[in-house]
Amino acid sequence: GEDVEQSLFLSVREGDSSVINCTYTDSSSTYLYWYKQEPGAGLQLLTYIFSNMDMKQDQRLTVLLNKKDKHLSLRIADTQTGDSAIYFCAERRGRDYGGATNKLIFGTGTLLAVQP
Amino acid sequence: GAVVSQHPSRVICKSGTSVKIECRSLDFQATTMFWYRQFPKQSLMLMATSNEGSKATYEQGVEKDKFLINHASLTLSTLTVTSAHPEDSSFYICSASLGNEQYFGPGTRLTVT
Repeated sequence: GEDVEQSLFLSVREGDSSVINCTYTDSSSTYLYWYKQEPGAGLQLLTYIFSNMDMKQDQRLTVLLNKKDKHLSLRIADTQTGDSAIYFCAERRGRDYGGATNKLIFGTGTLLAVQP
Repeated sequence: GAVVSQHPSRVICKSGTSVKIECRSLDFQATTMFWYRQFPKQSLMLMATSNEGSKATYEQGVEKDKFLINHASLTLSTLTVTSAHPEDSSFYICSASLGNEQYFGPGTRLTVT
């Protein structure tokens, strides 16, 4: 289908790891992104991965990409209460002109609740 | 990361009036900006792609005469909601491209009474 899908809700305890999953649709997508949105705010770019990579780590964040299954995940190590937010994955579709003209298709969003 | 601002952050207007929302890239030039709409507890829906110096490209189902987009410079794009109605009430978010990354503004909450 056309939708980028995510599970709606994830609850973890502070200090545990969180894993947020995403299934995207376009096998030709060049870049895949993770954004964080706090209540009433815009989106904060957390990290992104190029489609020819399997894994990318940036401090507490690890992105895994399974291109065959079109599955993307975001792991947050040592989850803190400040990580509570909605997390969106997004895929960039279209021909690559250096990123300037490509649009992002967003997933449905996962609400991460971190319990103290 | 790069900074994108939006103004106003919140606006309440009467039905039938027009509202202009500004999106600025503060520390970089953006050839392309994007306008999204987000309903409560839902994902972002792309409305249009705004290219500096040319007409915007609208997504299917988005009325170009209702949502006027102007990309006057490399750092400013505006979205004007014309003849607003209560169903136009929403959270409008812009973003600007910088290389492979897309940076988002803080959003504008529009309420039409």
